[in-house]
Amino acid sequence: EAQVTQNPRYLITVTGKKLTVTCSQNMNHEYMSWYRQDPGLGLRQIYYSMNVEVTDKGDVPEGYKVSRKEKRNFPLILESPSPNQTSLYFCATKLGRPYNEQFFGPGTRLTVL
Amino acid sequence: TQLLEQSPQFLSIQEGENLTVYCNSSSVFSSLQWYRQEPGEGPVLLVTVVTGGEVKKLKRLTFQFGDARKDSSLHITAAQPGDTGLYLCAGRSNFGNEKLTFGTGTRLTIIP
Repeated sequence: EAQVTQNPRYLITVTGKKLTVTCSQNMNHEYMSWYRQDPGLGLRQIYYSMNVEVTDKGDVPEGYKVSRKEKRNFPLILESPSPNQTSLYFCATKLGRPYNEQFFGPGTRLTVL
Repeated sequence: TQLLEQSPQFLSIQEGENLTVYCNSSSVFSSLQWYRQEPGEGPVLLVTVVTGGEVKKLKRLTFQFGDARKDSSLHITAAQPGDTGLYLCAGRSNFGNEKLTFGTGTRLTIIP
C-alpha cells in the first residue's frame, strides 16, 4: 500500500529537549516537504527537498533542520524546541515535475511545554 | 510571499443547501489545487485546475479557476453531512519551482 508514515503521531516534550519527527514514504517520490498547521494560518511550509541531498527553506524554517540522505526518508529535527513550535506537523511527498498532487502523512501533534 | 485568503473561514449550513467557498490572491499561480482534510488525517487532493477560466466538476462539487489565475471557487450543490471537513486551496508558484502556498482554510459543517 502506497503511504506516507510519520512518527511519532503525538509528542509532549519540554523546552530545549532535542527531538526528531520521522517521515518515510514507499512511493519512490522525489519531492518531500514539511508543513506546520496552526489555526487561522493554514499550512505553512517549513522545508522541502526536491531530491536526495537537496533541501531548501520554506516559509517558516527558523528553529528547524532537515536532512535527505536517502530518497524515502525526510526527518524533521528540532534542536531546541520552544513553546511556539507547538503545532500539528505534516510531511508530504510527490513525484517531481510535472506532477502536482501531494500525498500527506497522518500528522504529528507536538506540544512543547 | 504569495498569500491565499479563503472565505468564509467557518461555514455551518443545513443538509441540502448550496454553498460557495472562495480562495483569493493578488498573485498569479500556474495551477491551483483544492484539498479536503478530515480530523486526525492529512489533506487529500480533490482537484487541480490549470487553465484560467477552467471549470471542473466532481459529482456535486464544482471548481473554477479565475480567468487571471489569481483566484478560485468551490461550489457544493445539495450539501451532505459527508462533505463536512476543512477545505484548503493551494496555489502552485508561477516561478517554476515546486512550491505550494496553502490558503487559510474553510471549516465546513453540514448539519443533518
